[in-house]
Parts: sequence; C-alpha cells; structure tokens
Amino acid sequence: GDSVTQMEGPVTLSEEAFLTINCTYTATGYPSLFWYVQYPGEGLQLLLKATKADDKGSNKGFEATYRKETTSFHLEKGSVQVSDSAVYFCVNTNAGKSTFGDGTTLTVKP
Amino acid sequence: NAGVTQTPKFRVLKTGQSMTLLCAQDMNHEYMYWYRQDPGMGLRLIHYSVGEGTTAKGEVPDGYNVSRLKKQNFLLGLESAAPSQTSVYFCASSYSFSGVSGGRVTYEQYFGPGTRLTVT
Repeated sequence: GDSVTQMEGPVTLSEEAFLTINCTYTATGYPSLFWYVQYPGEGLQLLLKATKADDKGSNKGFEATYRKETTSFHLEKGSVQVSDSAVYFCVNTNAGKSTFGDGTTLTVKP
Repeated sequence: NAGVTQTPKFRVLKTGQSMTLLCAQDMNHEYMYWYRQDPGMGLRLIHYSVGEGTTAKGEVPDGYNVSRLKKQNFLLGLESAAPSQTSVYFCASSYSFSGVSGGRVTYEQYFGPGTRLTVT
C-alpha cells in the first residue's frame, strides 16, 4: 500500500535559520501531496499542496516541489520564525485515501 | 460556513460504555474520514466514506463502526470502549475532481477541531 516516510524530529532551529523537512512517499497511480501543520491543541491545517509532478506548492514562505523521479516532497523555508513552531505532517492522498507521515515537531527559538 | 464541526469536544468513558461521535460538514464534500491521533504519532485512518450511504475500513477499524446516512454527517461509534481507544479523534472532509487522465484527483482535507476521548 501507499506509505509516507518523514524526517524524524524533533527539529530545533534558531529564528531566521533555513528549514528543510524531508518527505518521501510510495504510491500507485498519481497521488496528490500535501503538507499540513498542527499547532498545539488544534486540528490540522493545510499548509500547501501539489497535485501533479513538478508542481510547486507554496504558502507563508514555505515551499515544496512534487518530484516524481525521486518520489519526494520536501518542505523548505528560507527563514523560520518563532511562530512556525508546530508539528508538520507530510500526506499522500490517492484515490480518496490519505496516508500521513508520523509528523515532525519544529521548535524555533528566538 | 462553519466548515467541519465535531461533537463532543471532550468525553470520559468507563471501559465497556458506548458512545457516538458526530461529525458535520457544510461544504457539500463527497468524502469524509475519521482518524485517531496518539501521542507522537501521525494520524491513522479508522474509517472513511466516499459518498452518502457508503463506508469503508481504514487502517485501524477494529472496535469502531460508522454510518453516513446523510451527506453532511459522518458518525463514529464505539460499542464497548476500551482504554486502548483513549485518543484524540479527528474528522475530515474533502472533495475530488476529474483529472486530465480521467482519474479522480482528491483535493485537500478540511479537519474538525478534534474530540479528546479518555477511557478509564
């Protein structure tokens, strides 16, 4: 079946540092890929998405590119802020079903 | 639009008790899902539905039942609660469209705020 392997955390960065959270997937067919963010005590919110190969999703300074050749969807941000501290989930959605990575906890220190 | 709502927000049950969690969405979405989230883990799919009157098992369906009698509602039932079912439960909904290759492309999921369930 489909799977998602996400970079293990926790990740701790200083403010304005560069962020990369790796995500690779396996899937049959043509999945859509997403990054969701979960702030403490809240539900998941969509951060960005890509529905086909070579698409780049972007939002709030975060970016991820759907790479079919490497089956990857790595999340990047050039300069993180304290407010970016949260748990980030990489998600593969295929034929109506979603597979979640285990989540990466990011803590950004001032 | 209220989006996706869940009731109740919190619940404590004794082992063996039953309860139903209600999820409602006002976005006319076809797909609805129930997940559980345990500490330090991602979300695991319990059951899902691709349309009114249909349900299907997810990754961890044992001990749960679901029903989707109306398009906007998706109910999750625990017939005999166990401590292993202590978790945070999230409901989500989504829609799809026809891709250029003719297949269905599923768009993002919209999540409810969660229900924190404790079974003692």
